[in-house]
Amino acid sequence: EPEVTQTPSHQVTQMGQEVILRCVPISNHLYFYWYRQILGQKVEFLVSFYNNEISEKSEIFDDQFSVERPDGSNFTLKIRSTKLEDSAMYFCASSGLSEQFFGPGTRLTVL
Amino acid sequence: GENVEQHPSTLSVQEGDSAVIKCTYSDSASNYFPWYKQELGKRPQLIIDIRSNVGEKKDQRIAVTLNKTAKHFSLHITETQPEDSAVYFCAARPFGDGGSQGNLIFGKGTKLSVKP
Repeated sequence: EPEVTQTPSHQVTQMGQEVILRCVPISNHLYFYWYRQILGQKVEFLVSFYNNEISEKSEIFDDQFSVERPDGSNFTLKIRSTKLEDSAMYFCASSGLSEQFFGPGTRLTVL
Repeated sequence: GENVEQHPSTLSVQEGDSAVIKCTYSDSASNYFPWYKQELGKRPQLIIDIRSNVGEKKDQRIAVTLNKTAKHFSLHITETQPEDSAVYFCAARPFGDGGSQGNLIFGKGTKLSVKP
């Protein structure tokens, strides 16, 4: 069964550094999402992406965040200047005409 | 915007008993309600979903009910087993045409423990 994949599984960075989280959605899906989950808390929506542009974004997704689909398979989330409070698990998801499938997540730790 | 409340935050049951988790939502335009199971350190996995044109859906030991008037939906797990132990999240999709393409707003989760 096809799965969403994410790399790296764990990223440690210094505050103020840029990070890029990578995702490979399921190949025939058209809708892509990023969510984050702070340890022990609920999953929070960040951004959705369709037809090579952002379709929705939350208040969390401020100017420090950006997304890109640089080629036909990858979907990336960039955090330009990380803050301590960006430490969380970041999940990529993709969907076709049915359910959203989540990737295994990238745990981001900002020191 | 949409807000989803979920109760209880923790639930402990004996193996074989039933478990019920309840969620309420605020946006009457929401039309898709999935439930995800998340085991420790793993990705959320969809276990069942319901659309607003349906009142109840069942899949083996799992069922979901939706009351659009009251804006609440519930997850029912019967004959619970230790492997059902996990965190369960409800979610609502605020708007759209009935598919699952929009963003999901999640509840805070219910940690279910099934004791053998």
